[in-house]
Order: sequence, then structure tokens, then C-alpha cells
Amino acid sequence: DAKTTQPNSMESNEEEPVHLPCNHSTISGTDYIHWYRQLPSQGPEYVIHGLTSNVNNRMASLAIAEDRKSSTLILHRATLRDAAVYYCILKEDMRFGAGTRLTVKP
Amino acid sequence: KAGVTQTPRYLIKTRGQQVTLSCSPISGHRSVSWYQQTPGQGLQFLFEYFSETQRNKGNFPGRFSGRQFSNSRSEMNVSTLELGDSALYLCASSPILSSHEQFFGPGTRLTVL
Repeated sequence: DAKTTQPNSMESNEEEPVHLPCNHSTISGTDYIHWYRQLPSQGPEYVIHGLTSNVNNRMASLAIAEDRKSSTLILHRATLRDAAVYYCILKEDMRFGAGTRLTVKP
Repeated sequence: KAGVTQTPRYLIKTRGQQVTLSCSPISGHRSVSWYQQTPGQGLQFLFEYFSETQRNKGNFPGRFSGRQFSNSRSEMNVSTLELGDSALYLCASSPILSSHEQFFGPGTRLTVL
């Protein structure tokens, strides 16, 4: 059974913000939400993680719903190099799923 | 600091053979995890090693095994290869067990004919 669900694909224009959603309605109270991304022909790359509070780092922001059943990865200004498959995973499960393929248009 | 390295990068085997893949973690990292990536199943966790002991295991048959050496280098072995084992095998390292941030290598592309 799927632990997280994400849209298959999304598009964005360069230099615009991107909001990538993830649903994890069966998340346990102690499980962390992780985001990784995979650029073409590369291994996945860690982006960010969080538990309850919103998180920011140099790559992105993570907004977590109050009930923790969903979260959103925010890329503040998409660049062409951000085109990748983005995975939302739960730490206790480590199942990556199909992810969201982000296309960034110039 | 050098990244995670995996050897070989590409491998072709036939059904019934066995294969051993190697992973060298980032210097100082003691945890090594292995993943299988296929178009149909996505990226699936195989197992995690820390201090030469398997600490976590995914849902794969016993044909998939691994080990970790005292220098944290790890090997993964698949015996009696099946066509469905064709995949990209990724290794990830981290400084501690069950770390939030894992560093992935480029993977080994295994093709089973």
C-alpha cells in the first residue's frame, strides 16, 4: 500500500516558485518526512526533511500541514537545473515511489 | 571530499549467474544502504549496514545479500539472477545509522539476459 502519493508530473516556468505536494495520510506520529530529488542519470540527492514544523534550507522550504497528513516542498525560484524527479518519502518506510517529474520551462 | 563510488558502473550477466557489486562510502561515513531502482517498481530499499552489521532490511528475497567491511566499504551480492533483477543498484552512505541525509552514488546498471 502506498505510504505517500504525489502527482506524476508538474511544470514550472524558470524563476517562478514551485509547490510540490505530497499526501501521507497514514503517517505515524514520530515519522519524518523526507524529500529527495533525482536528476537525469544521477543518484538521488537529499533536499530537506521535517517532522512537524516548517523547515528551510539553502535548497528549499518544507511546509507541513498541521495534521501532518500532507506536506509541500517549495522551490522559491525554479531554475533549469531544478528539473528532476522529486520524491517524498517517510523515514520509517524508505519507499520512494514514482515521485513527481518537474519540468522547468525557460 | 570524494563522493560515494560504485563499481562496476555497468554489468551484463545471464540468468542463473551471480553478481557482486561494490560500494565505497564517503570517508568517515559508517552507514551504507542499498537500493534497487526499476522503471516499474521505482526505488526500493534493500538493506542498511552499520559497523559491519545489517541493521535494516527491505522486502527482498534471500538471493539478495550484502556485507560491510571494517573500512565501511560494502558489497552486495545477488545469486541465481533472474531477468527481473535488471535494474540500477544504488548505494548511499551516511555518517550515522538511519541518518536523515543520505549521499547516493551514481549506481551500477545491471542487465540480466
